Amino acid sequence: DGGITQSPKYLFRKEGQNVTLSCEQNLNHDAMYWYRQDPGQGLRLIYYSQIVNDFQKGDIAEGYSVSREKKESFPLTVTSAQKNPTAFYLCASRVNTGELCFGEGSRLTVL
Amino acid sequence: GENVEQHPSTLSVQEGDSAVIKCTYSDSASNYFPWYKQELGKGPQLIIDIRSNVGEKKDQRIAVTLNKTAKHFSLHITETQPEDSAVYFCAADYGQNFVFGPGTRLSVLP
Repeated sequence: DGGITQSPKYLFRKEGQNVTLSCEQNLNHDAMYWYRQDPGQGLRLIYYSQIVNDFQKGDIAEGYSVSREKKESFPLTVTSAQKNPTAFYLCASRVNTGELCFGEGSRLTVL
Repeated sequence: GENVEQHPSTLSVQEGDSAVIKCTYSDSASNYFPWYKQELGKGPQLIIDIRSNVGEKKDQRIAVTLNKTAKHFSLHITETQPEDSAVYFCAADYGQNFVFGPGTRLSVLP
């Protein structure tokens, strides 16, 4: 079945460490997105990519980095510069003006 | 700038009653308005959407209405069931990205 796979589902990080969250889709979607969700709050856009080898900052890009070397993959790195990284991270993709499809999320906790 | 407001933030209804969630958006450039349901610890799932060329769309117990002049749209759930309990998000599509409302936590009481 086609879909979006995020891994790992749970991740723990020590302060000062970089971590990378994986997002893979087999829907043949051009656009991919990363959102951050804090408890009881909505979704805030971190980065998005419309095509391979191109991406743009969202509303809260500071402390994060991404790459888009393949159409299927859009990994997110949470760097040590992100001061409050504990959150639920959601990856999504879409084709043209179609619906936004989400993965199941990755929960990052800083120890 | 682009902004989506959503009300109420929490909503409790008795099983079998109706629930209504309302959203307003700031920028009239948007033409596509989806609604997502998010269960605890999971990713949001699309439940219904509407484009600006229609005023209402219905899918079984769920309906969405859109008033482009007033820049607001609403989700209506009839005959609510316990499995409808979740957080619901509205969104507005601005071409390259979506802007989401802050969410409504719906509790359906048995």
